[in-house]
Amino acid sequence: DAGVIQSPRHEVTEMGQEVTLRCKPISGHNSLFWYRQTMMRGLELLIYFNNNVPIDDSGMPEDRFSAKMPNASFSTLKIQPSEPRDSAVYFCASSYPGLAGDRPDTQYFGPGTRLTVL
Amino acid sequence: LAKTTQPISMDSYEGQEVNITCSHNNIATNDYITWYQQFPSQGPRFIIQGYKTKVTNEVASLFIPADRKSSTLSLPRVSLSDTAVYYCLVGDRETSYDKVIFGPGTSLSVIP
Repeated sequence: DAGVIQSPRHEVTEMGQEVTLRCKPISGHNSLFWYRQTMMRGLELLIYFNNNVPIDDSGMPEDRFSAKMPNASFSTLKIQPSEPRDSAVYFCASSYPGLAGDRPDTQYFGPGTRLTVL
Repeated sequence: LAKTTQPISMDSYEGQEVNITCSHNNIATNDYITWYQQFPSQGPRFIIQGYKTKVTNEVASLFIPADRKSSTLSLPRVSLSDTAVYYCLVGDRETSYDKVIFGPGTSLSVIP
């Protein structure tokens, strides 16, 4: 099992440019989460999908951020236009609640994308 | 969602047992306690989960008293590779999706 795959691993861009982060969840998982991690704010949940449908995007900081999940094996997080304060590590995680019953499900995190906006 | 409180940092020597306690005074009846570990430059990794009493796996043990208002993650005989940030989360199947909150965690430094 390859685990959660994220690309690119590193991204450096200039302010105002569009940035697209990509995620491939673990095969068979039907929940997908996008997180952002900074030293100041720690790990924040931005949005999560269940069966490709966005369930809660209240963590998305502003309209410049958007996320899509066109199918069960792919998701994107887009920032347009990007700003220096968007610099962070962005993690994607997936989980499969089917076997967990009433217990919270284990989330499997990807390696993250380190974004630097100059 | 039950809020958690844990020490910001801890130091330990190699070979010692490390206990990290997490307080969750407002834990609800349906809430489970989950611990994650994060190494530098990596995403968090699930360590252990429990509801009450004691849970043990190949990585750690989790002790939960009867009132469930706290929990203790126990790492036996730590090594340098256990240096990481440890997060305590509390939530049930429903809230764990849309209200997952990772606090600052406990930064564990293992010293040779």
